[in-house]
Amino acid sequence: AQTVTQSQPEMSVQEAETVTLSCTYDTSESNYYLFWYKQPPSRQMILVIRQEAYKQQNATENRFSVNFQKAAKSFSLKISDSQLGDTAMYFCAFSTSYGKLTFGQGTILTVHP
Amino acid sequence: SQTIHQWPATLVQPVGSPLSLECTVEGTSNPNLYWYRQAAGRGLQLLFYSVGIGQISSEVPQNLSASRPQDRQFILSSKKLLLSDSGFYLCAWGTLRTNEKLFFGSGTQLSVL
Repeated sequence: AQTVTQSQPEMSVQEAETVTLSCTYDTSESNYYLFWYKQPPSRQMILVIRQEAYKQQNATENRFSVNFQKAAKSFSLKISDSQLGDTAMYFCAFSTSYGKLTFGQGTILTVHP
Repeated sequence: SQTIHQWPATLVQPVGSPLSLECTVEGTSNPNLYWYRQAAGRGLQLLFYSVGIGQISSEVPQNLSASRPQDRQFILSSKKLLLSDSGFYLCAWGTLRTNEKLFFGSGTQLSVL
């Protein structure tokens, strides 16, 4: 069975600074997808970024980028130029079969002005 | 554009009462549909998924059931609620054209008392 571990229950960062959220996963599969989802106080789940395991290039979406280390089974999220609207719970997720996501426990990120 | 509707937003039910949560998707055909549950302060757990009308797969044994009477309608039900059924329930959809991305509804907070 696949597992996803987020070892940081809470993180904080000052506005405009950079923060990195950690995620590790365990799987015996070779083809899979990794995701970071954001859940703001509204509780709406919003896809932040997605990485295909067969791609070596790290995914980037504006201020969000990932550091994907396949051998180490690590998938961290870097948020640059943090904004107050980035305050949310962030979930790392893993999928081998389409749509059947396995989620980590989440990291609460607070951006301070 | 595609939209997903989920209702009600909040529900308080007594133990032993029935449950029906509904989810509908607009703007796409033959979507894969999913029910996830989020316990307080935790990640999401996949409960059911469906790849077509009448086709339901259960991921975890539980007191709940799901049905898909129409292509874009997904219903989560229970005949008798338990205290442990409390949680935040999220419906989601995806298709091959969304390239492995899932789109979530706004969720239902269920409190069983």
